[in-house]
Amino acid sequence: ETGVTQSPTHLIKTRGQQVTLRCSSQSGHNTVSWYQQALGQGPQFIFQYYREEENGRGNFPPRFSGLQFPNYSSELNVNALELDDSALYLCASSLAGGNDYNEQFFGPGTRLTVL
Amino acid sequence: SQKIEQNSEALNIQEGKTATLTCNYTNYSPAYLQWYRQDPGRGPVFLLLIRENEKEKRKERLKVTFDTTLKQSLFHITASQPADSATYLCASNDYKLSFGAGTTVTVRA
Repeated sequence: ETGVTQSPTHLIKTRGQQVTLRCSSQSGHNTVSWYQQALGQGPQFIFQYYREEENGRGNFPPRFSGLQFPNYSSELNVNALELDDSALYLCASSLAGGNDYNEQFFGPGTRLTVL
Repeated sequence: SQKIEQNSEALNIQEGKTATLTCNYTNYSPAYLQWYRQDPGRGPVFLLLIRENEKEKRKERLKVTFDTTLKQSLFHITASQPADSATYLCASNDYKLSFGAGTTVTVRA
């Protein structure tokens, strides 16, 4: 069984730039959720994708966007980067309908630093 | 939306003792509460889930309780070991997870 993988591990950008983060789901999972975790905080839900459609969104502006591909891998795109976007970005995969409690499996995260 | 509150103060305990962590929710009673462990620079790892109608759940040295009257879950690590040192996150379960800020536990040898 292949776990959730994310790339890159670390990334440094400057304010105003755009960034794309990538996630490969755990084998057999059809749902991907993205979270932002600032230092010393818990993960905050950004959005979820199910079968290539956005399936719920947290309190994040439209410059945070995503994609899910037919193989269930996913991308998180952030435009017009701001200093406060510096955080650990976590991807979590799950199997919709697999159980009723939505157990999610997290990747190791991408550490984004905005200068 | 649901708000999850965890004791933000770090917990330092002696090896062999029991660590007890608190998770409070403020709005509706969630159908489930989940507990995760997170090591520095890593993603959270699922530990235990407890349903609204369950009072207690155990897994090896871990125990979780759910008190809907107090709107609280307690997470216990018994016979703690230095390897248990990590941040522990509580999350309520909808289609997304709403996490608390986590409690950092350090177990001294």
